[in-house]
Amino acid sequence: AQTVTQSQPEMSVQEAETVTLSCTYDTSESDYYLFWYKQPPSRQMILVIRQEAYKQQNATENRFSVNFQKAAKSFSLKISDSQLGDAAMYFCAYSGPSGSRLTFGEGTQLTVNP
Amino acid sequence: DSGVTQTPKHLITATGQRVTLRCSPRSGDLSVYWYQQSLDQGLQFLIQYYNGEERAKGNILERFSAQQFPDLHSELNLSSLELGDSALYFCASSVDDQAGKNIQYFGAGTRLSVL
Repeated sequence: AQTVTQSQPEMSVQEAETVTLSCTYDTSESDYYLFWYKQPPSRQMILVIRQEAYKQQNATENRFSVNFQKAAKSFSLKISDSQLGDAAMYFCAYSGPSGSRLTFGEGTQLTVNP
Repeated sequence: DSGVTQTPKHLITATGQRVTLRCSPRSGDLSVYWYQQSLDQGLQFLIQYYNGEERAKGNILERFSAQQFPDLHSELNLSSLELGDSALYFCASSVDDQAGKNIQYFGAGTRLSVL
């Protein structure tokens, strides 16, 4: 079974600084997808970024980028120029080929200090 | 706004009761997923429907059941409720097209409190 591990229950960053959230996963599949979802206090689950395992290039979305290390089964999220609105719980998630369930990590609570 | 609609937003009920949670997926999405988020279990996949048919089952209790209707909306039925069923229940939908995008969009959730 696939597992996702986030080893940092809490992280904090100063506004305008950069922070990296860690995630490792375990799978025997070769074709899969990795995601970072953000859950602010409103509890809405918001997709931040997505990585396809067959793509070597790391995904980027504005201030958000990932460091995908397939051999190490590592998928970290870097947030640049942190903003107060980035404060939220961040979940790393794995899914197999198209149309399959998401397996989530435990989450990392990110605090942004002004 | 993700385009996925869940009703009701909040539900308060008593142990032993039965409730129904409703989900309307994004227009064009054929897959509906249900997830449970609780303090002790985290975010867990419950069940998936694709175009009216059950496609995958996760850690769903026998007291829970779901279905997807011809108009693609889905309902999650929870019966013989226990205190431990108190949680946030999410519905997500995806298009599952040939491009394999596999992006799931989440509704705002239904918060269930069992007293």
